[in-house]
Amino acid sequence: QSVLTQPPSVSGAPGQRVTISCTGSSSNIGARYDVHWYQQLPGTAPKLLIYDNSNRPSGVPDRFSGSKSDTSASLAITGLQADDEADYYCQSYDRSLSGYVFGTGTKVTVL
Amino acid sequence: EVQLVESGGGLVQPGGSLRLSCAASGFTFSNYAMNWVRQTPGKGLEWVSTISSDGSITYYADSVKGRFTISRDNSKNTLYLQMNSLRAEDTAVYYCAKSRSGRSYSAFDYWGQGTLVTVSS
Repeated sequence: QSVLTQPPSVSGAPGQRVTISCTGSSSNIGARYDVHWYQQLPGTAPKLLIYDNSNRPSGVPDRFSGSKSDTSASLAITGLQADDEADYYCQSYDRSLSGYVFGTGTKVTVL
Repeated sequence: EVQLVESGGGLVQPGGSLRLSCAASGFTFSNYAMNWVRQTPGKGLEWVSTISSDGSITYYADSVKGRFTISRDNSKNTLYLQMNSLRAEDTAVYYCAKSRSGRSYSAFDYWGQGTLVTVSS
């Protein structure tokens, strides 16, 4: 059972903007621990998409952006493309659990 | 190019043991903390364990504490996960992942391809 809650699925047409929420609590995101986001394409390992709330690793398109506020964080994808179809996970640290925690995961579907 | 290659997965009976390995290349292994993350087939990601760059500090998820042991050999650029007293609920794909920086609570910037562990009689 994850302590970071994400919507199970989001969808959008090509070119549209979608957002994925990641809701935590005062022991993780609200405790000012950074949030990271990962993209997992079908049958592959997760790939780092956003680190430290809003930073993109080299090679990640600027169509992907992250933000954080209070006890939640969000990932936005603009100009949605067919190859954005994947599962997306947020991650943070939880001081009550003394360990990393992942979100429940969100499947993005391009209509 | 950073590469992480896991090995050692397979079928094991409940109560059995298995040791996973992760061979690292393309970066200075001894400078970075390393991690194990697992994923039950069709389900989400679960952090399992983290080890500091020099191997002196280890962290475990409550679900594996006392049964799993993370270790590393910096001379061989290899990360390990010794798994004992395995249970059916440990069945998962196990990924090794590199911490992005020396900061605490850093993101995992490179992942291996994963190795499947199946616990079943």
